[in-house]
Amino acid sequence: EVQLVESGGDLVQPGGSLRLSCEVSGFTFSTFSMHWVRQVPGKGLEWVSCIYSDEAVTYYADSVKGRFTISRDNAKNTLYLQMNSLRAEDTAIYYCVKEIGAGHNPGAVFDYWGQGTLVTVSS
Amino acid sequence: DTVLTQSPATLSLSPGETATLSCRTSQSVSRHLVWYQQKPGQAPRLLIYDASIRATGIPARFSGSGSGTDFTLTISSLEPEDFAVYYCQQRQNWPPLTFGGGTKVEIK
Repeated sequence: EVQLVESGGDLVQPGGSLRLSCEVSGFTFSTFSMHWVRQVPGKGLEWVSCIYSDEAVTYYADSVKGRFTISRDNAKNTLYLQMNSLRAEDTAIYYCVKEIGAGHNPGAVFDYWGQGTLVTVSS
Repeated sequence: DTVLTQSPATLSLSPGETATLSCRTSQSVSRHLVWYQQKPGQAPRLLIYDASIRATGIPARFSGSGSGTDFTLTISSLEPEDFAVYYCQQRQNWPPLTFGGGTKVEIK
């Protein structure tokens, strides 16, 4: 059974930092590109970042570029999102999501989502 | 960035009726359009990808169509569990990946 379990969400002050983790099981993590998608409670979905299966390529939304860093540890089956210089507008539920197909190039179809972890940026 | 516009924002229907949801993109995405369903307090669930391919385990009452810039998700004979919010997402022109604003299908 595929499982994605996020952790690390918390209340943080503007300008602060957080690192989110997503521990996965039930599939060969090292062969799938992975993404982070966020959602302000009650609002729509916003793609945040992507990392290729071999970590060779990463992409970011303009809204987080230069502040967030996606990474992965294939030996630990874990995806990360380091978030620095946090702003009130980063407040959201952050989902770790898995691509439907394995391989080097991400196809950006998400067949499994974690339960989400809530990040609140407020003073 | 490719902008996705979903309509209507809210669809009020009764169980057994057919729901027709629209997603229009600001530029062609070929057939690289994905549909998700989200229920309150839950993560989104993959329904349809590449415009018309049902994901594993998705009932046949869910169907997708379209290409280019106009896409439709049809839910035939709504079941009580189908009342939810539906999002479209394009995977043709990225980064960034973009989602539509969602259509809420509510019980009339």
